[in-house]
Amino acid sequence: DGGITQSPKYLFRKEGQNVTLSCEQNLNHDAMYWYRQDPGQGLRLIYYSQIVNDFQKGDIAEGYSVSREKKESFPLTVTSAQKNPTAFYLCASTVSGSYNEQFFGPGTRLTVL
Amino acid sequence: GENVEQHPSTLSVQEGDSAVIKCTYSDSASNYFPWYKQELGKRPQLIIDIRSNVGEKKDQRIAVTLNKTAKHFSLHITETQPEDSAVYFCAASETSYDKVIFGPGTSLSVIP
Repeated sequence: DGGITQSPKYLFRKEGQNVTLSCEQNLNHDAMYWYRQDPGQGLRLIYYSQIVNDFQKGDIAEGYSVSREKKESFPLTVTSAQKNPTAFYLCASTVSGSYNEQFFGPGTRLTVL
Repeated sequence: GENVEQHPSTLSVQEGDSAVIKCTYSDSASNYFPWYKQELGKRPQLIIDIRSNVGEKKDQRIAVTLNKTAKHFSLHITETQPEDSAVYFCAASETSYDKVIFGPGTSLSVIP
């Protein structure tokens, strides 16, 4: 289970506030991903990054932003523009190459009050 | 873009019976099809994957089949055990390095 961490485990925020979720990995993986998990909807891709200083939108990027200034870190900011931010957020990483396992972090549960 | 459908959404089987979960995908460029298992309160973990150059892959009680022409792939679990109870996700992508699109998940319950 070690190697990719997310913090905090639980996060509460008031409506209208931005909040940043942390994702760190020490696996020397090139690619990192952010997913949102809602009941019955599986894992939906928010953003992904294959290299430092570069990232691409996933299917549900609206209301979110990311940065990739370091290989080890891929923080996700949930902005006030996200209409329904309450969800479970999972970060993942993988090595470069064609067919390698994605390793997931333990997740952050965000609740908007 | 890629769309992955998964059926059934819930599945209950008696211990020792087999379980089958089916997925379809839309993008013919997809070449990599992993399956992840997520136990309650835990992170998803890869249990098996298959690439488009093979039609079937087995790992002990778990097997995956792929029909690239029909764009569907299936997970087969034989001799199910209570510890197989979890949510299973199929996924598809061109490579694991690209954006991976997940299905909505199947909640499997194995009844002792």
